[in-house]
Amino acid sequence: NAGVTQTPKFQVLKTGQSMTLQCAQDMNHNSMYWYRQDPGMGLRLIYYSASEGTTDKGEVPNGYNVSRLNKREFSLRLESAAPSQTSVYFCASSGRQGTPGDTQYFGPGTRLTVL
Amino acid sequence: AQSVTQLGSHVSVSEGALVLLRCNYSSSVPPYLFWYVQYPNQGLQLLLKYTTGATLVKGINGFEAEFKKSETSFHLTKPSAHMSDAAEYFCAVSPIYNQGGKLIFGQGTELSVKP
Repeated sequence: NAGVTQTPKFQVLKTGQSMTLQCAQDMNHNSMYWYRQDPGMGLRLIYYSASEGTTDKGEVPNGYNVSRLNKREFSLRLESAAPSQTSVYFCASSGRQGTPGDTQYFGPGTRLTVL
Repeated sequence: AQSVTQLGSHVSVSEGALVLLRCNYSSSVPPYLFWYVQYPNQGLQLLLKYTTGATLVKGINGFEAEFKKSETSFHLTKPSAHMSDAAEYFCAVSPIYNQGGKLIFGQGTELSVKP
């Protein structure tokens, strides 16, 4: 049981380049989330998917798009990367469908630098 | 809007001393409450959570937290610090009526343990 996996672990982009961060979970969870972590700001929600086939914006969605490919996979795309998107990105999942109080399980993170 | 405040971005204790990490939330309706730990270069791991029932919650690694509604607080404690407790700790809330089961995080507290 790998839990939540993320690829790549590290990435360096130039301003304007695009890339997709991949996330997969093997726990048969319904909900999946993308957060970014910046020093002194904790984690902030970018997008989430309460169930397969649905996605919704979080607190900081600008500059990002997501795809819930199937129940296991939830990808985050940066269409035109900007230095302000330099951050550590975490994917998380929880078992029930968008249920408050449900424990979220986190992946190891992707460290992205945009030059 | 719901917010979470962690008092002190850095806390330093001696090995064997009491650990106290503070967390306050802003909401007229008490949310579900979480503490997560992040070891260097890793994802977040659940320490403990409060949903309903007993207000003193015990978690992993000897940590516990007490929900105090009158003080809107959920402080994390451990009677005796170990070197292995050095990490960053995040308090998070999940508003009871939020769509999607989203978490709102505090800014984090980095715990250092001195020998």
